Amino acid sequence: DVVMTQSPLSLPVTLGQPASISCRSGQSLVDSDGKTYLSWFQQRPGQSPRRLIYRVSNRESGVPDRFSGSGSGNDFTLKISRVEAEDVGIYYCMQGRHAPPTFGQGTKVEIK
Amino acid sequence: QLQLQESGPGVVKPSGTLSLTCAVSGGSISSNTWWNWLRQTPGKGLEWIGEVHHIGNTNYNPSLKGRVTMTVDKSKNQISLRLNSVTAADTAVYYCARANSVPDGMDVWGQGTKVTVSS
Repeated sequence: DVVMTQSPLSLPVTLGQPASISCRSGQSLVDSDGKTYLSWFQQRPGQSPRRLIYRVSNRESGVPDRFSGSGSGNDFTLKISRVEAEDVGIYYCMQGRHAPPTFGQGTKVEIK
Repeated sequence: QLQLQESGPGVVKPSGTLSLTCAVSGGSISSNTWWNWLRQTPGKGLEWIGEVHHIGNTNYNPSLKGRVTMTVDKSKNQISLRLNSVTAADTAVYYCARANSVPDGMDVWGQGTKVTVSS
């Protein structure tokens, strides 16, 4: 299985400040169709995961534009431009290029 | 708006069979989409169990070593998960989720149901 490694695992952030989460995959996530299958999920306390971004940088409908995804190949980043209180939770990256789909360990975002 | 609701026993005995259903509302189970099961534990995090299409095609995580079966019941608009020969390691929160394209991830999730394997 493809290993997904996130860092940091814990991210204390001041409200209004930016936050950045890294995700690295053990193999390239670029498919033969040229698309890169890397998604980001947010899991707020007590809730189910929610997809924020798919194919590296495509925001899900309704996701605030302070969330952005970038990267290529094996190295990806989720950025929150200005953290708000509702952004507290655990963030996961997921690769869908290689079966079975696999997730990173999660990064816990909390307010300082 | 599509909604998914998991249900099933909260406790299963070791070596028994875990059986869960996921009721689909606000949409048809026969749409061109894949219905997934995932689980989450504090130790292993999120794990994809497998997927089923309404025409009956399935794909499972090899790590479950043939213990898993997923089916679609169109008459009830629900999907089912069966996991045989369970152990304590199968204790988890189980989610059903929709994926129009699994490589792009799951865009609609149920609320999850906690299953504990214990005698």
